[in-house]
Amino acid sequence: SQKIEQNSEALNIQEGKTATLTCNYTNYSPAYLQWYRQDPGRGPVFLLLIRENEKEKRKERLKVTFDTTLKQSLFHITASQPADSATYLCALRNQGGKLIFGQGTELSVKP
Amino acid sequence: DTAVSQTPKYLVTQMGNDKSIKCEQNLGHDTMYWYKQDSKKFLKIMFSYNNKELIINETVPNRFSPKSPDKAHLNLHINSLELGDSAVYFCASSQDQVGTEAFFGQGTRLTVV
Repeated sequence: SQKIEQNSEALNIQEGKTATLTCNYTNYSPAYLQWYRQDPGRGPVFLLLIRENEKEKRKERLKVTFDTTLKQSLFHITASQPADSATYLCALRNQGGKLIFGQGTELSVKP
Repeated sequence: DTAVSQTPKYLVTQMGNDKSIKCEQNLGHDTMYWYKQDSKKFLKIMFSYNNKELIINETVPNRFSPKSPDKAHLNLHINSLELGDSAVYFCASSQDQVGTEAFFGQGTRLTVV
């Protein structure tokens, strides 16, 4: 069956360090992958989209990689700040058009 | 201007009641969705509409009935509410059903007592 898996355990890091979150998927052949941020009591907010022919994408302090061989995406936040604390979700759109989300990884950046 | 707005934000109701959640998007998008987020924060798709037509209908009890009067609105009606329906329901929209990112509403926290 199709699955999207993210680290279910919360990630705690020190301010200024790089946070790395993982998204693995099985039984998908996505043309692209998306990352979202969700704060408590709010809806997810789109951050980045990376296509299958792109190895890496950057936006300010964010970097996403996409390895279709490993079926994995890594999401990096460099020079992390307490304001980056949130839950980060990866998402794929399957052939039927559904936008499917992973369970999210909660990131906590301590000052 | 709010891109995707849903009302109400909070809804507390008794078992057996019927309730509706409304959603509107002012982005001119073709595709709209309803997602359910349970207590474990897992976001699960329920329905998807494209240009007012139902295109995705997950395994959702038929007590849940979406209605799209026009491209900008997708409402969710729930009959005979049960305790297990308690969750946060999110409306979302995207330009199309193929590749673009989704924009989410603020969510409706439904509590069935």
